Amino acid sequence: SAVISQKPSRDICQRGTSLTIQCQVDSQVTMMFWYRQQPGQSLTLIATANQGSEATYESGFVIDKFPISRPNLTFSTLTVSNMSPEDSSIYLCSVAARGGSYEQYFGPGTRLTVT
Amino acid sequence: GQNIDQPTEMTATEGAIVQINCTYQTSGFNGLFWYQQHAGEAPTFLSYNVLDGLEEKGRFSSFLSRSKGYSYLLLKELQMKDSASYLCAVRENDYKLSFGAGTTVTVRA
Repeated sequence: SAVISQKPSRDICQRGTSLTIQCQVDSQVTMMFWYRQQPGQSLTLIATANQGSEATYESGFVIDKFPISRPNLTFSTLTVSNMSPEDSSIYLCSVAARGGSYEQYFGPGTRLTVT
Repeated sequence: GQNIDQPTEMTATEGAIVQINCTYQTSGFNGLFWYQQHAGEAPTFLSYNVLDGLEEKGRFSSFLSRSKGYSYLLLKELQMKDSASYLCAVRENDYKLSFGAGTTVTVRA
């Protein structure tokens, strides 16, 4: 199984600012994803992080608001830009190996509160 | 898109058995996952089904019927630590997961 770390684990940010969340995996993985879990709700996929190219965003999420980088097979960042209180959520990184293990793992999450 | 339904809440007694049902309607299918999520923590992988039938893993079992768009997670010999949210998720052909709203299971002494 893959071990995933995220930084920061939590943050409290002011409205209008931006926060970058880092995701590090202990092994090379093909697929990396970013999810959001709003309070009391289930997980919603934000985007697939593609190595060396632009991320693939789901409906309702745009690059200007959630820019994503993935410079290599073990690292990705998600930025939450121009934050508002509605962005208060847990952001989770997830990884899967295409064609190999079928399992998909989640990082510990970043708990973001916007005031 | 995906439509994934599961009950909101279930309550059971310690030592009992609980079955959490999940129905789905999808345009593509590459497997069904069950995750356990304790409050304030990330989801942890429980099971994966891609073929019809029952997969057993200790006290937890998961069943899939692709023709019926149906799965269940069976929790046996319930323990207090099993109180958590259980998430049903369907993987589309491109490896993305779509999640149900989750079922909160409360285990009572």
